[in-house]
Amino acid sequence: GENVEQHPSTLSVQEGDSAVIKCTYSDSASNYFPWYKQELGKRPQLIIDIRSNVGEKKDQRIAVTLNKTAKHFSLHITETQPEDSAVYFCATRIYGGSQGNLIFGKGTKLSVKP
Amino acid sequence: GAVVSQHPSWVICKSGTSVKIECRSLDFQATTMFWYRQFPKQSLMLMATSNEGSKATYEQGVEKDKFLINHASLTLSTLTVTSAHPEDSSFYICSAVGQASGRFDEQFFGPGTRLTVL
Repeated sequence: GENVEQHPSTLSVQEGDSAVIKCTYSDSASNYFPWYKQELGKRPQLIIDIRSNVGEKKDQRIAVTLNKTAKHFSLHITETQPEDSAVYFCATRIYGGSQGNLIFGKGTKLSVKP
Repeated sequence: GAVVSQHPSWVICKSGTSVKIECRSLDFQATTMFWYRQFPKQSLMLMATSNEGSKATYEQGVEKDKFLINHASLTLSTLTVTSAHPEDSSFYICSAVGQASGRFDEQFFGPGTRLTVL
């Protein structure tokens, strides 16, 4: 089955710096790659996603890049702020249809120091 | 955006009792709902996939007789933890997929239910 590896497990940056989180996946059939932000005790919130026919997507300070050949995708957060501190999860969808479940990475705890 | 609710938000029960958790899609029809379990400082682990009107599909290692899932309508799925034990204590989160805001591929998560078994 699909295997999603996420690195690093923890990341500490200074406010204003950039943060990059990387994920690799094993199943070449995966075609949807969302990123979620989860604050302690709360539900995961979708922050950005990308489909396999696109190489890069940007939304203000957040961007995601996808390399299908290498089977990895990355989350980039620029000009980090303390409120960006949370756990971030990457995920992939393994089925071609719309009903496929998500496979999550193990998460990255991001700490942004003021 | 689409809204998914869960009830209760937290529950404390004695070992051996059963607990039912409800997951509702409030403003869209969810053809598929997923149940996840999240232990402290860990990722979300899929337990089962639930399609309306059919039996749930359980992930390997998840006991279907212990975690009963019912998806009787397009807006409601329930997870019943039977004969709960302390090791079942966890954060249970559901998510729903359906045509919400024109998107079929986005999963909308409920707020989660914190289960503590004494």
